[in-house]
Amino acid sequence: GENVEQHPSTLSVQEGDSAVIKCTYSDSASNYFPWYKQELGKRPQLIIDIRSNVGEKKDQRIAVTLNKTAKHFSLHITETQPEDSAVYFCAARDTGNQFYFGTGTSLTVIP
Amino acid sequence: EAQVTQNPRYLITVTGKKLTVTCSQNMNHEYMSWYRQDPGLGLRQIYYSMNVEVTDKGDVPEGYKVSRKEKRNFPLILESPSPNQTSLYFCASSLVASGRNEQFFGPGTRLTVL
Repeated sequence: GENVEQHPSTLSVQEGDSAVIKCTYSDSASNYFPWYKQELGKRPQLIIDIRSNVGEKKDQRIAVTLNKTAKHFSLHITETQPEDSAVYFCAARDTGNQFYFGTGTSLTVIP
Repeated sequence: EAQVTQNPRYLITVTGKKLTVTCSQNMNHEYMSWYRQDPGLGLRQIYYSMNVEVTDKGDVPEGYKVSRKEKRNFPLILESPSPNQTSLYFCASSLVASGRNEQFFGPGTRLTVL
């Protein structure tokens, strides 16, 4: 089955700096890659996603890039703010519609 | 209001006592799924369903059962709970259409098995 690895597990940045979280996957047939943000005590919420036929997608301060050849995708957050502090999860969906999640990155934005 | 609901939100039980966690969505979503979340392990999919009467095993189905008799409901059944099933459980739903497949998560159920 699919295997998703996520790095780093923790990340601290100064407010206003950029943050990058990276994920790799093993199944080249996986076709959909969402990113979720989970605040403490809350449910995961989708922040951005990308399909396998797209290389990059941007939504205001958040962007995701996908390199199908290398089987990795990354989340980029620019101009970070304290409210960006949360745990971020990447995921991959295989052709059978099963989802595999990374182990999460705890992002702390220091004011 | 479009939402996914789960009940109960918190449950403490004992080993071997059968329990059911309910999940319901009002968005007419075809796809429904159960995940468990454990520290350091992220979210792991237990079971998922593409539509009524269609269910498939996820990554960690052992010890769990599900059913999908109606489109809006997807209960998670633990026939004989064990302490290693102590976890935070999330139900989620989404459309199956080829466009955006955002999963909407329920509020979570924190289960403790003693």
